[in-house]
Amino acid sequence: EPEVTQTPSHQVTQMGQEVILRCVPISNHLYFYWYRQILGQKVEFLVSFYNNEISEKSEIFDDQFSVERPDGSNFTLKIRSTKLEDSAMYFCASSLLAGGYNEQFFGPGTRLTVL
Amino acid sequence: RKEVEQDPGPFNVPEGATVAFNCTYSNSASQSFFWYRQDCRKEPKLLMSVYSSGNEDGRFTAQLNRASQYISLLIRDSKLSDSATYLCVVKGGPGTSYGKLTFGQGTILTVHP
Repeated sequence: EPEVTQTPSHQVTQMGQEVILRCVPISNHLYFYWYRQILGQKVEFLVSFYNNEISEKSEIFDDQFSVERPDGSNFTLKIRSTKLEDSAMYFCASSLLAGGYNEQFFGPGTRLTVL
Repeated sequence: RKEVEQDPGPFNVPEGATVAFNCTYSNSASQSFFWYRQDCRKEPKLLMSVYSSGNEDGRFTAQLNRASQYISLLIRDSKLSDSATYLCVVKGGPGTSYGKLTFGQGTILTVHP
């Protein structure tokens, strides 16, 4: 069964460093998303991406964040200068279509720890 | 008011029990509704979509009341494997036409022998 994959599973970084979180969405999907979950809190939407551009982004997704689909398979989230409060689980998701009851499939997540 | 609100629990029930979770959402223009399940430190996984007419999948029954902006999930004959966090999720509404999911805080369920 097709699945979304993410690497690395755990990333430890120093405050102020840049990190890139990588995702491989399901191959025929057209819409891609990043969510994050701070420990003990709810899952929060960061950004959606379609046709090589951002469709929607949340207030969390400020200038420190960027997304890219550098080739036909990878979808990346870059945090330019990490802060302590960026420590969270980051989930990538993909869907064939965006609206209605089209299912979003989530990857296993990358745990980001900022020291 | 929170966009999606759930009773956080925890709910501790014996095997075989029936348990119900409730959820309310604030955006009356929301279009699609779901229950996801999240195991500890894992990704959310779709449990079931929730349709206006209500729907059932085995031991799970979901109901939607658009007038009250209320969603429910009923689990019958609980199994140990049902222990997880149940996430109420809403999609759509003004300015969110590209698939943004809005999650509730989650309701923790523990089923014990």
